[in-house]
Amino acid sequence: DQQVKQNSPSLSVQEGRISILNCDYTNSMFDYFLWYKKYPAEGPTFLISISSIKDKNEDGRFTVFLNKSAKHLSLHIVPSQPGDSAVYFCAASPGGATNKLIFGTGTLLAVQP
Amino acid sequence: KAGVTQTPRYLIKTRGQQVTLSCSPISGHRSVSWYQQTPGQGLQFLFEYFSETQRNKGNFPGRFSGRQFSNSRSEMNVSTLELGDSALYLCASSLAQTVNEQYFGPGTRLTVT
Repeated sequence: DQQVKQNSPSLSVQEGRISILNCDYTNSMFDYFLWYKKYPAEGPTFLISISSIKDKNEDGRFTVFLNKSAKHLSLHIVPSQPGDSAVYFCAASPGGATNKLIFGTGTLLAVQP
Repeated sequence: KAGVTQTPRYLIKTRGQQVTLSCSPISGHRSVSWYQQTPGQGLQFLFEYFSETQRNKGNFPGRFSGRQFSNSRSEMNVSTLELGDSALYLCASSLAQTVNEQYFGPGTRLTVT
Protein backbone atom coordinates (compact mmCIF):
# COMPACT_ATOMS: atom_id res chain seq x y z
CA ASP A 1 0.00 0.00 0.00
CA GLN A 2 1.73 3.14 -1.23
CA GLN A 3 0.98 5.82 1.36
CA VAL A 4 2.97 8.50 -0.46
CA LYS A 5 2.53 8.79 -4.20
CA GLN A 6 4.28 10.74 -6.91
CA ASN A 7 2.20 10.09 -9.98
CA SER A 8 4.53 11.75 -12.47
CA PRO A 9 7.63 9.63 -13.01
CA SER A 10 9.23 12.39 -15.06
CA LEU A 11 8.96 16.09 -15.84
CA SER A 12 10.75 18.23 -18.41
CA VAL A 13 10.88 22.04 -18.21
CA GLN A 14 12.82 24.82 -19.86
CA GLU A 15 15.53 26.67 -18.01
CA GLY A 16 14.13 29.76 -16.29
CA ARG A 17 10.58 28.42 -16.12
CA ILE A 18 8.76 27.03 -13.10
CA SER A 19 9.00 23.35 -12.15
CA ILE A 20 6.08 21.94 -10.17
CA LEU A 21 6.45 18.52 -8.62
CA ASN A 22 3.44 16.92 -6.99
CA CYS A 23 2.92 14.44 -4.22
CA ASP A 24 -0.20 12.86 -2.68
CA TYR A 25 -0.52 10.99 0.58
CA THR A 26 -3.19 8.87 2.17
CA ASN A 27 -2.45 8.94 5.89
CA SER A 28 -3.89 11.98 7.65
CA MET A 29 -1.67 11.27 10.67
CA PHE A 30 1.49 12.35 8.86
CA ASP A 31 2.75 15.48 10.60
CA TYR A 32 5.84 16.46 8.67
CA PHE A 33 6.71 16.41 4.99
CA LEU A 34 10.06 16.71 3.26
CA TRP A 35 11.49 16.94 -0.22
CA TYR A 36 14.78 15.33 -1.16
CA LYS A 37 16.86 15.62 -4.29
CA LYS A 38 18.95 12.73 -5.54
CA TYR A 39 21.68 12.54 -8.14
CA PRO A 40 22.83 9.16 -9.51
CA ALA A 41 25.39 7.39 -7.32
CA GLU A 42 24.72 9.77 -4.42
CA GLY A 43 22.43 9.64 -1.41
CA PRO A 44 19.34 11.87 -1.21
CA THR A 45 19.96 15.44 -0.12
CA PHE A 46 17.45 17.31 2.00
CA LEU A 47 15.86 20.26 0.19
CA ILE A 48 12.97 21.69 2.14
CA SER A 49 10.33 20.60 4.62
CA ILE A 50 6.97 21.66 5.95
CA SER A 51 5.08 20.96 9.13
CA SER A 52 1.45 19.89 8.92
CA ILE A 53 0.43 23.05 10.78
CA LYS A 54 1.62 25.23 7.90
CA ASP A 55 0.49 25.50 4.30
CA LYS A 56 3.59 27.05 2.77
CA ASN A 57 7.32 27.13 3.33
CA GLU A 58 9.83 28.98 1.20
CA ASP A 59 13.60 28.72 0.90
CA GLY A 60 15.19 30.65 -1.93
CA ARG A 61 14.03 29.24 -5.25
CA PHE A 62 12.16 26.39 -3.54
CA THR A 63 8.64 26.62 -2.14
CA VAL A 64 6.60 23.77 -0.74
CA PHE A 65 2.82 24.00 -0.52
CA LEU A 66 0.68 21.73 1.63
CA ASN A 67 -3.07 21.19 1.15
CA LYS A 68 -4.11 19.02 4.06
CA SER A 69 -7.74 18.68 3.02
CA ALA A 70 -6.66 17.29 -0.34
CA LYS A 71 -3.72 15.39 1.20
CA HIS A 72 -1.51 16.95 -1.43
CA LEU A 73 1.80 18.74 -1.44
CA SER A 74 3.81 20.31 -4.18
CA LEU A 75 7.32 21.63 -4.68
CA HIS A 76 7.80 24.71 -6.83
CA ILE A 77 11.22 25.59 -8.22
CA VAL A 78 11.50 29.08 -9.68
CA PRO A 79 13.46 29.72 -11.81
CA SER A 80 14.52 26.23 -12.84
CA GLN A 81 18.19 25.70 -13.62
CA PRO A 82 19.94 22.84 -15.46
CA GLY A 83 21.67 21.90 -12.20
CA ASP A 84 18.24 21.13 -10.74
CA SER A 85 18.01 18.08 -13.01
CA ALA A 86 17.74 15.13 -10.64
CA VAL A 87 15.23 12.76 -9.07
CA TYR A 88 13.01 14.42 -6.47
CA PHE A 89 11.44 12.42 -3.67
CA CYS A 90 8.74 13.57 -1.33
CA ALA A 91 8.63 11.94 2.08
CA ALA A 92 6.32 11.95 5.07
CA SER A 93 6.95 11.42 8.72
CA PRO A 94 4.49 9.42 10.82
CA GLY A 95 5.34 11.61 13.80
CA GLY A 96 6.61 10.79 17.23
CA ALA A 97 10.17 10.12 18.29
CA THR A 98 11.35 8.56 15.09
CA ASN A 99 13.40 9.32 12.02
CA LYS A 100 11.34 6.93 9.92
CA LEU A 101 10.32 8.43 6.58
CA ILE A 102 7.84 7.10 4.05
CA PHE A 103 8.96 8.04 0.56
CA GLY A 104 7.23 8.43 -2.74
CA THR A 105 8.63 6.74 -5.84
CA GLY A 106 10.30 9.88 -7.14
CA THR A 107 9.99 12.23 -10.11
CA LEU A 108 12.85 12.68 -12.56
CA LEU A 109 13.15 16.38 -13.37
CA ALA A 110 15.00 17.39 -16.53
CA VAL A 111 15.68 21.10 -16.98
CA GLN A 112 16.50 21.84 -20.59
CA PRO A 113 18.97 24.69 -21.30
CA LYS B 1 33.07 17.26 9.12
CA ALA B 2 33.01 13.91 7.32
CA GLY B 3 29.66 12.76 5.96
CA VAL B 4 27.94 9.41 6.25
CA THR B 5 30.09 6.65 4.82
CA GLN B 6 28.91 3.28 3.59
CA THR B 7 31.00 0.28 2.70
CA PRO B 8 31.30 -1.40 0.37
CA ARG B 9 29.93 0.85 -2.38
CA TYR B 10 29.29 -2.02 -4.76
CA LEU B 11 28.73 -5.70 -4.12
CA ILE B 12 27.84 -8.71 -6.23
CA LYS B 13 26.53 -11.82 -4.51
CA THR B 14 24.90 -15.07 -5.54
CA ARG B 15 21.44 -16.26 -4.54
CA GLY B 16 21.48 -18.02 -1.20
CA GLN B 17 24.53 -16.19 0.13
CA GLN B 18 24.45 -13.64 2.92
CA VAL B 19 25.79 -10.11 2.97
CA THR B 20 26.74 -7.52 5.57
CA LEU B 21 26.69 -3.81 4.81
CA SER B 22 28.26 -1.16 6.99
CA CYS B 23 27.36 2.43 7.78
CA SER B 24 29.43 4.96 9.70
CA PRO B 25 27.32 7.96 10.73
CA ILE B 26 28.47 11.53 11.02
CA SER B 27 30.54 12.01 14.14
CA GLY B 28 28.28 12.65 17.12
CA HIS B 29 25.16 11.29 15.46
CA ARG B 30 23.41 8.58 17.44
CA SER B 31 20.55 7.64 15.14
CA VAL B 32 20.97 5.48 12.05
CA SER B 33 18.23 4.44 9.64
CA TRP B 34 18.40 2.07 6.69
CA TYR B 35 16.43 2.21 3.44
CA GLN B 36 16.16 0.01 0.39
CA GLN B 37 15.73 1.62 -3.02
CA THR B 38 14.52 -0.47 -5.95
CA PRO B 39 13.22 0.66 -9.35
CA GLY B 40 9.56 1.54 -9.12
CA GLN B 41 9.38 1.21 -5.31
CA GLY B 42 11.11 4.35 -4.19
CA LEU B 43 12.89 4.23 -0.88
CA GLN B 44 11.47 1.81 1.66
CA PHE B 45 12.26 2.00 5.34
CA LEU B 46 14.10 -1.02 6.73
CA PHE B 47 14.94 -0.16 10.34
CA GLU B 48 16.07 2.57 12.68
CA TYR B 49 18.56 2.43 15.53
CA PHE B 50 19.15 4.90 18.30
CA SER B 51 21.77 4.37 20.99
CA GLU B 52 22.19 0.71 20.02
CA THR B 53 18.46 -0.02 20.26
CA GLN B 54 16.22 -0.82 17.32
CA ARG B 55 13.40 1.72 17.52
CA ASN B 56 11.45 0.89 14.38
CA LYS B 57 11.35 -1.84 11.80
CA GLY B 58 9.85 -1.75 8.32
CA ASN B 59 7.83 -4.42 6.60
CA PHE B 60 10.66 -6.69 5.52
CA PRO B 61 11.16 -10.41 6.12
CA GLY B 62 13.29 -11.67 8.96
CA ARG B 63 16.17 -12.27 6.54
CA PHE B 64 16.90 -8.58 6.97
CA SER B 65 18.51 -7.70 10.27
CA GLY B 66 20.68 -4.99 11.68
CA ARG B 67 22.52 -3.76 14.68
CA GLN B 68 24.20 -0.68 16.03
CA PHE B 69 27.43 -0.57 17.98
CA SER B 70 28.41 1.62 20.90
CA ASN B 71 30.27 3.99 18.55
CA SER B 72 26.98 4.41 16.58
CA ARG B 73 28.29 2.54 13.57
CA SER B 74 25.64 0.26 12.13
CA GLU B 75 25.55 -2.90 10.09
CA MET B 76 22.74 -4.56 8.25
CA ASN B 77 22.71 -8.19 7.24
CA VAL B 78 20.68 -9.99 4.61
CA SER B 79 20.71 -13.77 4.74
CA THR B 80 19.69 -16.24 2.04
CA LEU B 81 19.83 -13.62 -0.68
CA GLU B 82 17.15 -13.54 -3.35
CA LEU B 83 17.25 -11.89 -6.78
CA GLY B 84 14.71 -9.32 -5.55
CA ASP B 85 17.15 -8.11 -2.90
CA SER B 86 19.15 -6.40 -5.64
CA ALA B 87 18.87 -2.75 -4.70
CA LEU B 88 20.59 0.35 -3.49
CA TYR B 89 20.82 0.27 0.30
CA LEU B 90 20.98 3.69 1.90
CA CYS B 91 21.90 4.65 5.39
CA ALA B 92 20.95 7.93 7.05
CA SER B 93 22.26 9.40 10.26
CA SER B 94 20.86 11.99 12.60
CA LEU B 95 21.90 13.63 15.84
CA ALA B 96 18.63 12.67 17.48
CA GLN B 97 15.21 11.56 16.38
CA THR B 98 14.40 14.59 14.27
CA VAL B 99 13.42 13.77 10.71
CA ASN B 100 14.48 17.03 9.10
CA GLU B 101 18.11 16.66 10.10
CA GLN B 102 18.91 13.33 8.52
CA TYR B 103 21.90 12.99 6.25
CA PHE B 104 22.15 10.15 3.78
CA GLY B 105 25.21 8.23 2.72
CA PRO B 106 25.93 7.40 -0.93
CA GLY B 107 24.56 3.89 -0.58
CA THR B 108 25.72 0.35 -1.30
CA ARG B 109 24.67 -1.08 -4.64
CA LEU B 110 23.94 -4.80 -4.12
CA THR B 111 23.48 -7.05 -7.12
CA VAL B 112 22.28 -10.61 -6.57
CA THR B 113 22.84 -13.03 -9.44
